[in-house]
Parts: sequence; structure tokens; C-alpha cells
Amino acid sequence: AQKVTQAQTEISVVEKEDVTLDCVYETRDTTYYLFWYKQPPSGELVFLIRRNSFDEQNEISGRYSWNFQKSTSSFNFTITASQVVDSAVYFCALSELTGNQFYFGTGTSLTVIP
Amino acid sequence: KAGVTQTPRYLIKTRGQQVTLSCSPISGHRSVSWYQQTPGQGLQFLFEYFSETQRNKGNFPGRFSGRQFSNSRSEMNVSTLELGDSALYLCASSLASGRPQQYFGPGTRLTVL
Repeated sequence: AQKVTQAQTEISVVEKEDVTLDCVYETRDTTYYLFWYKQPPSGELVFLIRRNSFDEQNEISGRYSWNFQKSTSSFNFTITASQVVDSAVYFCALSELTGNQFYFGTGTSLTVIP
Repeated sequence: KAGVTQTPRYLIKTRGQQVTLSCSPISGHRSVSWYQQTPGQGLQFLFEYFSETQRNKGNFPGRFSGRQFSNSRSEMNVSTLELGDSALYLCASSLASGRPQQYFGPGTRLTVL
């Protein structure tokens, strides 16, 4: 069965610090997608990044970067030079190749202190 | 392009009543999925509709149902409401089933008294 674990429940950082959010997943599928979403207080889930299982290249997009390691089933997300506007709950999610069912982690609440 | 819209945004009902929530996907998107978010259970998949057919269903009782119309708009219905049904209900749209890039709406916050 698919499962996503976000062990960090809450994180607080001071503005301009870097912060890494951890995500570990379980799946028996050989091909799958991994996502990070941000949920501000308004409630809407905002898409951040997507990675498919057959592409382990790690990338940087602006202040966001991610580290996908299939060998350890981890998909960590880093925000560099954090800003107050980054304060939100961040969700890691896993999706099978077929169908659109997402399996979400329990979320990490990030607070950036000015 | 307009995003996913959900109506109403807030709803208060009493136990035993039924409720219908609406979701309009992004134009051109044909797949709509529904999720329930509660503090205790987190985000849980309810069901997915594509081309007016339910493609996948999560582990929820039969009180939760949905449908999709020919214009891809979707509704979900909860009958005989229970206190535990209080939650944020999120709708997500994607181009098609099997196209995992989903875009979420702002949600409908349901409170059951």
C-alpha cells in the first residue's frame, strides 16, 4: 500500500534561514509521481513541484530545491533564504501512474519568524 | 485561465441533514477528484470522476457520493450528516485520468452542528 510520512510536524525558522522538509514514502509501484504542495491559511493547495520516479535528477527552481533519492524512498524539499510568506503547511504527496488518487503525508507546518 | 472553483465556500449544517458541494474544474480539464481534510485524518481521497464516470473511490461510507456532468462540473453529496463530517472538502482537477498534475480549488468548509 502507498504511504507518505512527514515526520516533522512543526518547524520554525528565522527569516533568511534555509529549511528542509522531509518526506519518506512507501509504494510497491515501480513508476509513480511525487509532489510537494503548499497550503496557506486560505486553505487552497498550491502546487510547488512534481517529480516522476524514473527521473532522479535534482533541480533548483528559484528558492526551491528538492532531493529525490529512490534508494532511500525520500523526497526532501528545501527552501533557501526563507521568507515570512513561506509560512504555511507543506504536504508531500504520492500518485500512482494511473488514476489521479493522491496519497498525502500529514503535513509540516512551517513558521518563518521575521 | 480561471482556476478551480468550489461553491459554497462555507456551509453550516446540522446532524442528519444532507449537503451538496459543487466543483467547476479548469476549462478543458475532464478529471475531478475530491478530498476530505480533517485535523485528525489529514487529507483523504474520496473519489475521482472522469467523463461522467467514477474511476476510483476511497474508503468512505456510502453516505458520500458524487457525480460529474457532461461539462465536467462535479458535485459531491453527503447524506445523513454526522459531526465527524465537519471538514474542508477540496476538489482538484486535471486534464484526464492518469494525468497526475492536479490543481486544487479553495475548498468548501463544512461545519456540522
